[in-house]
Amino acid sequence: NAGVTQTPKFQVLKTGQSMTLQCAQDMNHNSMYWYRQDPGMGLRLIYYSASEGTTDKGEVPNGYNVSRLNKREFSLRLESAAPSQTSVYFCASSELGEGRYEQYFGPGTRLTVT
Amino acid sequence: KQEVTQIPAALSVPEGENLVLNCSFTDSAIYNLQWFRQDPGKGLTSLLLIQSSQREQTSGRLNASLDKSSGRSTLYIAASQPGDSATYLCAVKNYGQNFVFGPGTRLSVLP
Repeated sequence: NAGVTQTPKFQVLKTGQSMTLQCAQDMNHNSMYWYRQDPGMGLRLIYYSASEGTTDKGEVPNGYNVSRLNKREFSLRLESAAPSQTSVYFCASSELGEGRYEQYFGPGTRLTVT
Repeated sequence: KQEVTQIPAALSVPEGENLVLNCSFTDSAIYNLQWFRQDPGKGLTSLLLIQSSQREQTSGRLNASLDKSSGRSTLYIAASQPGDSATYLCAVKNYGQNFVFGPGTRLSVLP
């Protein structure tokens, strides 16, 4: 049982390049999330998917797009990377089980945009 | 809009001390509250989850309490060890809303 996995672990991009961050979970959760974590800013929600086939904007969606490919996979795309997108990106999943939502996180992707 | 704060921002204690980390939230109509641990360069690991109907949860040397009326949760760590050194974050979920995270408390336990 791998939980939540993310690829790649590290990435360096030049300004204007594009890339897709991949996330997969094997817990059969309905909800999946993308966060970014920056020093002094804490974790901020970029996009989320409450269930397969739906996606919604979070707190900081500008410059990003997402795809909920199926129940397991949720990808985050940067179409034209900017230095302000240098951050650590975390994917998470959760499920309403036994009356409780509990989040599980992946190991993160460290992205540097030069 | 829910806002979550954590005090102190950083804490350094000698090994063996009992300590308390605080999490405060502005909207008391929460669904649940979750405490996480984050080691440097790593992801978040769930420690404890308290549902709105509960007052506390325990796991080993950790005890988390919840007082919705005052908008506070505390994480109590007994007999701290150097291996407890990490950043501790709390996250609050309100009904129909997404999780909101606090900024974290960075804990150092000195041998």
